[in-house]
Amino acid sequence: DQQVKQNSPSLSVQEGRISILNCDYTNSMFDYFLWYKKYPAEGPTFLISISSIKDKNEDGRFTVFLNKSAKHLSLHIVPSQPGDSAVYFCAASAVFPAGGTSYGKLTFGQGTILTVHP
Amino acid sequence: DADVTQTPRNRITKTGKRIMLECSQTKGHDRMYWYRQDPGLGLRLIYYSFDVKDINKGEISDGYSVSRQAQAKFSLSLESAIPNQTALYFCATSDRVSDGYTFGSGTRLTVV
Repeated sequence: DQQVKQNSPSLSVQEGRISILNCDYTNSMFDYFLWYKKYPAEGPTFLISISSIKDKNEDGRFTVFLNKSAKHLSLHIVPSQPGDSAVYFCAASAVFPAGGTSYGKLTFGQGTILTVHP
Repeated sequence: DADVTQTPRNRITKTGKRIMLECSQTKGHDRMYWYRQDPGLGLRLIYYSFDVKDINKGEISDGYSVSRQAQAKFSLSLESAIPNQTALYFCATSDRVSDGYTFGSGTRLTVV
C-alpha cells in the first residue's frame, strides 16, 4: 500500500524552462510534506517543505504547492539548471498528534529522475 | 567529518551470513532511522528510534534487527542475509520532522 506516490519515473526539461514534479498521497493524517534531492553515490538532501496549514512555500528557484483537498503536492523549479539533474523524492509525515502511527516518520514516494539538458 | 557516517560504504556478502551496518551521527539528535532504497520503490523504513531506549519497527523490518548503542550510534543487522536484501541502505537522523532528516551517504549491500 503506497501511501505516497510519484507516478512519473522520469522527467526531461531544457535548461531555463520550468520543471514540475508531482506527488500524491492517500493518508489524511499526513500534515507535513518535504522534498528531497539525491545525487548518485550520495544520501538524499533536504530541499524544501510545507505544512498542511499552507498551500505554498517558496525558497529561491524552488516552490512547493499543496492541494489538500486533492491530496496532491508539486515542486516547481524555475529556471531549471543542469545541476538540478538528480532524483527527487517527496515525503510525508504527521507532526500531530504526537504518538500517532505516522508521527515522526517520513514516508517516501518512489522518486522521479529529473534530467535538465543544456 | 560528515554529520552522519555509515560503514561500510560497499559490502558483498554470501547468502546466510550475518552482517552489521553501522551508523554514527554528530548532530546530537535523539531520533535515528534506517531506510532501504530499491529501484522503483523509493525509500522504505526498516527501523527507527526516538531515543536510546526506544526501538520501533518500520514497514519492512522482517529479517532485520537494530541496536541503539548510544545517542550517536544506531546499527542495523541482517541475521541471515538473503539475495532480496540486496539494496542501498541509508541511515538518517533528525531533531524534529519539520526540520527534515540528515542522511548518511549510504551502504551498498550485495548478497550473492
